[in-house]
Amino acid sequence: QSVLTQPPSASGTPGQRVTISCSGSSSNIGSNYVYWYQQLPGTAPKLLIYRNNQRPSGVPDRFSGSKSGTSASLAISGLRSEDEADYYCAAWDDSLYVFGTGTKVTVL
Amino acid sequence: EVQLVQSGAEVKKPGDSLRISCKGSGYRFTSYWIGWVRQMPGKGLEWMGIIYPGDSDTRYSPSFQGQVTISADKSISTAYLQWSSLKASDTAMYYCARRGEELELDYWGQGSLVTVSS
Repeated sequence: QSVLTQPPSASGTPGQRVTISCSGSSSNIGSNYVYWYQQLPGTAPKLLIYRNNQRPSGVPDRFSGSKSGTSASLAISGLRSEDEADYYCAAWDDSLYVFGTGTKVTVL
Repeated sequence: EVQLVQSGAEVKKPGDSLRISCKGSGYRFTSYWIGWVRQMPGKGLEWMGIIYPGDSDTRYSPSFQGQVTISADKSISTAYLQWSSLKASDTAMYYCARRGEELELDYWGQGSLVTVSS
């Protein structure tokens, strides 16, 4: 069902910067905002980024989002062990919410 | 404090019916859409559909249309996801989530694990 494509995995050492890409189409990312969610092991997803690049209260500024055309990306700077999780991008596509395929971030 | 509290884990047999719930508190329940998301074991997030409790306007993902029913009882601030005949392939964690002002899923329930096995 996923129509947003993400790399299956990404990794880095503590302190490094990791970037996750999210590729969509003109009907979703190309014409709507992008959202990012973090899912720590065994827990419910949590909103990380909304409106392409806005952080909810409480989300560290180490997390940043951007969008260009039909693609988006999430950057994690100053990687920390607690950032090890699955990350999903999402966007509205008409009245359908579409999630990305998910990226597992490993802290080496 | 906004909270979405879901019903507990269920173990069912193929062919059984089931309804799981998601109770909202800490906000005006009738003013925000509630969505449902499936996560099969070891897999990603899948959008199932969304309901506006204020008037029960419901939109389904084509992948789930006819397979499940989403409803809400605004008098008790609770949304529901139900199946009339479960299949083994319905085994998954199901999350409810509130759609916020920026169309984001800003608050999530803790998840309801549904296991279907003979």
